[in-house]
Amino acid sequence: QVQLKESGPGLVQPSETLSLTCTVSGFSLTSYSVSWVRQPSGKGPEWMGRMWYDGDTAYNSALKSRLSISRDTSKNQVFLKMNSLQTDDTGTYYCTRDGYYSSYGYWGQGVMVTVSS
Amino acid sequence: DIVLTQSPALAVSLEQRATISCKTSQNVDNYGISYMHWYQQKPGQQPKLLIYEGSNLASGIPARFSGSGSGTDFTLTIDPVEADDIATYYCQQSKDYPDTFGAGTKLELK
Repeated sequence: QVQLKESGPGLVQPSETLSLTCTVSGFSLTSYSVSWVRQPSGKGPEWMGRMWYDGDTAYNSALKSRLSISRDTSKNQVFLKMNSLQTDDTGTYYCTRDGYYSSYGYWGQGVMVTVSS
Repeated sequence: DIVLTQSPALAVSLEQRATISCKTSQNVDNYGISYMHWYQQKPGQQPKLLIYEGSNLASGIPARFSGSGSGTDFTLTIDPVEADDIATYYCQQSKDYPDTFGAGTKLELK
């Protein structure tokens, strides 16, 4: 069945770089797109960016200068790197499999990231 | 960016109907498709897709959930409400970049 699982550090120092990995199973990264979505505690989700099935990428303009999304199809993994982290980057980070017209039909369990010294 | 506006909370009685609204700052329809989707989120869990393209029920979702609307005004209806439906509901548009979400409507018991 379709599964996505995020991994990465739970604590990041301010001004440092966040690196997260999304490991997927049950589908091919060359057939489906994967997005990263984050959610501060008690707030609505925020779409961060997308790795298209063809290898192209799209980013939220609010984060574009700090964000990079890449993949390794041989390992079924999608990567997120975001630099210059600040305290308002604290929240739960999810990877999702895009569905019909960029709805998000499958979500990972999420990884909680705290930006603090 | 397209802004999605939802009421913060809605109080409802069990076995009654709940209607949750989402208003968008721009039209999210294109060529007859509504790029509007709805999610349910319970505390400590990831969001779950309920409705896609405005009115299509996602796989495994009970038929008491339905979506309607077009243009800039959309509604998620739960009829009848069951205890398991107490959660926060988010709308999301994918018509224009960036995809954006509403702030959520918390469904509470009256």
